[in-house]
Amino acid sequence: QKEVEQDPGPLSVPEGAIVSLNCTYSNSAFQYFMWYRQYSRKGPELLMYTYSSGNKEDGRFTAQVDKSSKYISLFIRDSQPSDSATYLCAMSVSSGSARQLTFGSGTQLTVLP
Amino acid sequence: KAGVTQTPRYLIKTRGQQVTLSCSPISGHRSVSWYQQTPGQGLQFLFEYFSETQRNKGNFPGRFSGRQFSNSRSEMNVSTLELGDSALYLCASSLVQGQRNEQFFGPGTRLTVL
Repeated sequence: QKEVEQDPGPLSVPEGAIVSLNCTYSNSAFQYFMWYRQYSRKGPELLMYTYSSGNKEDGRFTAQVDKSSKYISLFIRDSQPSDSATYLCAMSVSSGSARQLTFGSGTQLTVLP
Repeated sequence: KAGVTQTPRYLIKTRGQQVTLSCSPISGHRSVSWYQQTPGQGLQFLFEYFSETQRNKGNFPGRFSGRQFSNSRSEMNVSTLELGDSALYLCASSLVQGQRNEQFFGPGTRLTVL
């Protein structure tokens, strides 16, 4: 079993829809949670970074972390065609030690105009 | 501020050769991590360097090595290339300040081994 599980999709939604992306994890030592967006043939771009349970909002993006359920989500409101990309969740154990990210497999999202 | 830069962007090598990839982190960032991305295995951690010292290493053979220079620039070397080493190699830099441990990725070097 992988430490981080993510539904690979593909996920296709109409423009303006609310998108929900999810990851589950098994390692309770994970403390830092990130969402990255990766366009084809580009490097991952950091969207959200959080180190506590609860919600964090940034523009159209909301990250949600539930450590008790070992479950994180990313919500995209008013989705746009430019949001079409692969979304990767990532986690790490501690800020004090090495910065090793463990990634989900990525969800491929297409927003149709 | 300039982002993470990686050179070269594309490389074609043959089995048995060796290759060196270069990464320049964001100015002020002292930590550099390397990752391998393949369609089958996704993004996997190779190693991290901080203040010229390797802090952590992923589950890769000894053919994969790296180093970091005093200006925080990093290089990654792969010796005796195998077909399975074909991948996108990504470098990420981090500020490392309190809770500020976000990792910012470069565009990657796409390595093809023939």
